[in-house]
Amino acid sequence: AQSVTQLGSHVSVSEGALVLLRCNYSSSVPPYLFWYVQYPNQGLQLLLKYTTGATLVKGINGFEAEFKKSETSFHLTKPSAHMSDAAEYFCAVSPSGGYQKVTFGIGTKLQVIP
Amino acid sequence: NAGVTQTPKFQVLKTGQSMTLQCAQDMNHEYMSWYRQDPGMGLRLIHYSVGAGITDQGEVPNGYNVSRSTTEDFPLRLLSAAPSQTSVYFCASSYSGPRQETQYFGPGTRLLVL
Repeated sequence: AQSVTQLGSHVSVSEGALVLLRCNYSSSVPPYLFWYVQYPNQGLQLLLKYTTGATLVKGINGFEAEFKKSETSFHLTKPSAHMSDAAEYFCAVSPSGGYQKVTFGIGTKLQVIP
Repeated sequence: NAGVTQTPKFQVLKTGQSMTLQCAQDMNHEYMSWYRQDPGMGLRLIHYSVGAGITDQGEVPNGYNVSRSTTEDFPLRLLSAAPSQTSVYFCASSYSGPRQETQYFGPGTRLLVL
């Protein structure tokens, strides 16, 4: 079975600093990986998705993630944090690449300090 | 388009009561899913559907029933509510085609079972 592990349930960064949210995956087959964001009292929104091809994936709101097979990682980064980035972020994996059977990590809450 | 709508927004039930959480989408998406979100556990898949008349179990299906009689609607039924079903429930719909893929989450239903 596929799974993802998010390292750090809470991450704090200063406004303007680098955002790095860590995710490692476990899969016996090539994984399809996702990052989602959830703002308070809202549903989830897809940030980006990796399927095949280019290992650096660019998403919305200036976020990007790099698929590293050798490290089984799919970390999410943003060069400069903004106050509006404060939210909970979920890494996820799908066996087929589709959205119907996505398995989520436990989430990382990002706090941005002014 | 209204996107994915969920009703009710909040519900309190007594143990043993039954209820139906409604989910509707007006985007003609084939795939629909139900998730529950609990603190420290991320989102867990309850049931999903790949089209009208076709449903399947996810990771945590016990205590829940679904049906998909139309493309638009995907209700989730709790037959006999238990305190362990206190959670936030999210419905999602998605479409994957040769030139486009999209996924949307509803705003969620908060359920408290006493």
